[in-house]
Order: sequence, then structure tokens, then C-alpha cells
Amino acid sequence: DADVTQTPRNRITKTGKRIMLECSQTKGHDRMYWYRQDPGLGLRLIYYSFDVKDINKGEISDGYSVSRQAQAKFSLSLESAIPNQTALYFCATSDLRDSTDTQYFGPGTRLTVL
Amino acid sequence: AQSVAQPEDQVNVAEGNPLTVKCTYSVSGNPYLFWYVQYPNRGLQFLLKYITGDNLVKGSYGFEAEFNKSQTSFHLKKPSALVSDSALYFCAVRPHTGGFKTIFGAGTRLFVKA
Repeated sequence: DADVTQTPRNRITKTGKRIMLECSQTKGHDRMYWYRQDPGLGLRLIYYSFDVKDINKGEISDGYSVSRQAQAKFSLSLESAIPNQTALYFCATSDLRDSTDTQYFGPGTRLTVL
Repeated sequence: AQSVAQPEDQVNVAEGNPLTVKCTYSVSGNPYLFWYVQYPNRGLQFLLKYITGDNLVKGSYGFEAEFNKSQTSFHLKKPSALVSDSALYFCAVRPHTGGFKTIFGAGTRLFVKA
């Protein structure tokens, strides 16, 4: 969905490096999410945010941190990257008024940690 | 524990034949049910969802899904497959209660052969 953008699209880094993945959206949604996708495991929730002052841990938040700089921006940081954080990372948004929580995804960031 | 199962890692069909991608869930109450599709190098796209009412839900690109409460299933169907339907399909469940989280299945890869 072009309304949700992620940068970078691909990143190769080394073990121990700090890295930030960025997400921006023009949909005007309050809810934002970070997921990682691993083959055979589907999507697993890392962090989510309902507004600028609200940050919540998901099921696999260890080793990650986030920042909600504005309603439209939600960044994911790996403080000290390790190889098992190699994965495809997705940002998603949803409308606070939508009780079903239909989500809209960015194109993903493919991260490789050597 | 709440979960979503997609029992087939891969489904192969010939173009023009009907297709079914299976999904079962274990969630208390009456959850919202979703199908998302992921094309190569793209993020997930919303395909359809079940909220309440008619057990047959129609979505984008000619897809439909059948909700079966007694079998806790939500199978994705299409009467006539196209080569362009080849993609990764995710079933997802959003419980009404017990916390705010959408649970994704592991995904099923659909191959449509010409």
C-alpha cells in the first residue's frame, strides 16, 4: 500500500550494530504496528502504538525498541543487531474507528544481520 | 492459547480450476476473521473479512471465504484460479475480547499453473 512507506527497503548490517527502520503513513491512522515475518512462522508482533503517547510491547519485543515521533511516523530500532534478527520487517496501520482492526501494510524492509 | 492454523504450506492448482486455501482457528467468542494476500516483494494486502451475518464473504479479485462456526474454519475460495493469483495468503483472527491483538497464521503459498 503506497500510503504506508518503509525505509530502507533492504539493509545489510553486522552483528552489534545499531540500526533503525522507519515507517511513515499518510492514511491518517492512529494505530501503528511493527511485525517481523519469518518463513513458516507468519507475522509476529514486535510493538504497537495507538497514539503518540502510547507504546506497547508485542509478543517478541526483546532486542527491539520503538519511537512514535508523530502520528504519521513510527520507527523500530535494533540496539545491537544479532543474526537471528535477520527477517522481513513490516509496518502496518489501522484506523482507531475500525473495531475490526483491518490493517494496511508497508512494502517491508528486508534486514540481514551478518 | 489462541491460535490460527493454516494446515497447508503450499497449494497447487491449475489455471481455471477452483481453489481452496484452508484456515482454522482457536479463539474464544466470535472473532473477526480476515484474509490477507502478499505478492512478491510487497506488503500484505487486505483481501476480505468476516464480521457477522452471512457466512459467505465476498472480497477483492473474485475471492470469497466461507465461515463455519461449528468447525471454527474460514476457508478462502475462488471458483476459477488465475496464474496471477499465485502469492502467499495469510489468515488472521482478531478476538473481540481478551486484549488487543490480531493473530496471523503461518501463511499458505498458492501456485497456479498455466
